[in-house]
This record gives sequence, structure tokens and C-alpha cells, in this order.
Amino acid sequence: GAVVSQHPSWVICKSGTSVKIECRSLDFQATTMFWYRQFPKKSLMLMATSNEGSKATYEQGVEKDKFLINHASLTLSTLTVTSAHPEDSSFYICSAVSRPDYEQYFGPGTRLTVT
Amino acid sequence: AQTVTQSQPEMSVQEAETVTLSCTYDTSESDYYLFWYKQPPSRQMILVIRQEAYKQQNATENRFSVNFQKAAKSFSLKISDSQLGDAAMYFCAYRPPRTGANSKLTFGKGITLSVRP
Repeated sequence: GAVVSQHPSWVICKSGTSVKIECRSLDFQATTMFWYRQFPKKSLMLMATSNEGSKATYEQGVEKDKFLINHASLTLSTLTVTSAHPEDSSFYICSAVSRPDYEQYFGPGTRLTVT
Repeated sequence: AQTVTQSQPEMSVQEAETVTLSCTYDTSESDYYLFWYKQPPSRQMILVIRQEAYKQQNATENRFSVNFQKAAKSFSLKISDSQLGDAAMYFCAYRPPRTGANSKLTFGKGITLSVRP
């Protein structure tokens, strides 16, 4: 089956620093990947759509200068949280869209803690 | 815009019993996809079952089945012979018929299912 990995699985960083999260589709190519944010016991909130070779599309209310997304290849998308603050602490999940069924496969998530 | 509603935040079931999780949605499309995802404590999202709106037959996957009522825009999940490993958060999700970047999922708020031994 289709597998999506995320790295790191857990990261702690100091306030003001930047942190990069990688999302990889391991056995399929994905022209589209999605980034979600999830708070404890809450639903997934779509942050942005990552398209290979083009700029990401951000959902309303998501600061694109804070959450930088780069879809550098057909198997890799990265989310960089710039100048992180404690309120950015959350669980970040990516998903990759496979073809031809356009099914979304989810990564295991990354827990970000900003101190 | 599409919306997905899961009105019950929590449910509990006795091991080996059957439980039904409710979901309603709103859309103006005639063709679309509906999903139930499971998120256990590990927080890995796992696809439980998938329903294509143009198919009248309800989807089933082993102990999991759905009751898809298109006219009522209702999509409930039935879990039979509940097991301790079924304890998780369950999300109902809608996807439009478009493809690629427009294959966004709209999630409900989720329901936390606990299983009593």
C-alpha cells in the first residue's frame, strides 16, 4: 500500500527559531500534498495545498510567510515554521494524493513543541 | 461550501457489541466520495471505509459497514463485534468529484469512541 513518511516525528525548538518538517511519499509520486494542523481532541484543519513545481495555496487565515511550503519533487514536500512561537505548538500532519484514484494517504504526523 | 457534521462528541460501547457513529453532510454535488477515518492514540490517520456517491450499495469492510442515505445526506458507520483496538477518534470526511489539487477533504469534528472490556 501507499506509504507516506514524516520527519521528524517530534521536535522541540526555542521561540524565534525555524523548524522544517518533511513529508515524503515513499512508493508513489504525488503532485499534490496537503498540510494539516491538529489540536488535541480536535479535527484536522487544512493549512495549505502543496503542488509540485508551483506555489502552495494557503487556506484563509493561514500566514504564508510563517508557514513556508516547498514541494521540491514528486515525492517531497516541506513545511517550514519560521520564527516559531509557543502558539505554533501543535501536531502537523501531511497527506499525499496518489493517482489515478486521487486517494489521500496520511503521514504519521509531527509533534512540534516551541519553548 | 460543503460541510460535514458529527454531532456526537463521544460514544462508548461494550466489547463485542455493535455501535453506530452518525454523520451528516451538505453538498450541492451529485457525485462525491465519503470516508470514515480512524485516528488511534498514535494519531496515524487510517482509512476505515470509502463510499462513492453514485454507488447505491453500502460499502462494507469486514466488521465495518456504512448506511449511506444519499437523499437524507446521511453517512453512518456501524462497527460490529467491537474490539478494544477500535477505541479511537473517528472522522467522517467528504471529498468532491474533482481531482488533483481540488481533491480536498472536508472533515467533521470527530467522535471519540471508547470500548469497555
